Amino acid sequence: RKEVEQDPGPFNVPEGATVAFNCTYSNSASQSFFWYRQDCRKEPKLLMSVYSSGNEDGRFTAQLNRASQYISLLIRDSKLSDSATYLCVVNGEGTGFQKLVFGTGTRLLVSP
Amino acid sequence: DAGVIQSPRHEVTEMGQEVTLRCKPISGHNSLFWYRQTMMRGLELLIYFNNNVPIDDSGMPEDRFSAKMPNASFSTLKIQPSEPRDSAVYFCASSRRDSSYNEQFFGPGTRLTVL
Repeated sequence: RKEVEQDPGPFNVPEGATVAFNCTYSNSASQSFFWYRQDCRKEPKLLMSVYSSGNEDGRFTAQLNRASQYISLLIRDSKLSDSATYLCVVNGEGTGFQKLVFGTGTRLLVSP
Repeated sequence: DAGVIQSPRHEVTEMGQEVTLRCKPISGHNSLFWYRQTMMRGLELLIYFNNNVPIDDSGMPEDRFSAKMPNASFSTLKIQPSEPRDSAVYFCASSRRDSSYNEQFFGPGTRLTVL
């Protein structure tokens, strides 16, 4: 079983739609959770951290369910510029929980 | 502010040749990470350093791979000899180890093709 599992998609949605991604992780000791965004042929960039209480950043909302070991990302009012691959990331074992384990990503395509 | 700098951006080489990838982390960052990304396996951590010291190299695929960090502003990843299955995008990332959530900042990557 992979440490972090995501639906690869692609998710095809029209502009203005709401879309949600989930991912599951296997290490119950994980302490840090993130969503990274990766544009085609570019490097990954941090989109947002995920906190236990859930957090929101503009049109983006992240939720963490420790009991079920899954993380979600909700995007409201999708824009064309949201088209990218979204990587679910959790920290793995290692000194100071620095090791990050990346899911293989969920691809989002927003169309006009 | 300068981000993580990697060179070369693209490398095409023949099987058996030595390949050296270079990375300059963000100034002030004391942790450096090397990743490899392929379509099949996604983004995999190869090795990481804290304060120039290798902490975990369990992701290094085999002895053909080696990494060094001689000082706080420079690291290399070397493949010798290279094989076609090494073809991938290699990313370097850096972070401040004392930051609360360990955000890692990635360089633009080196796209390696081994023929």
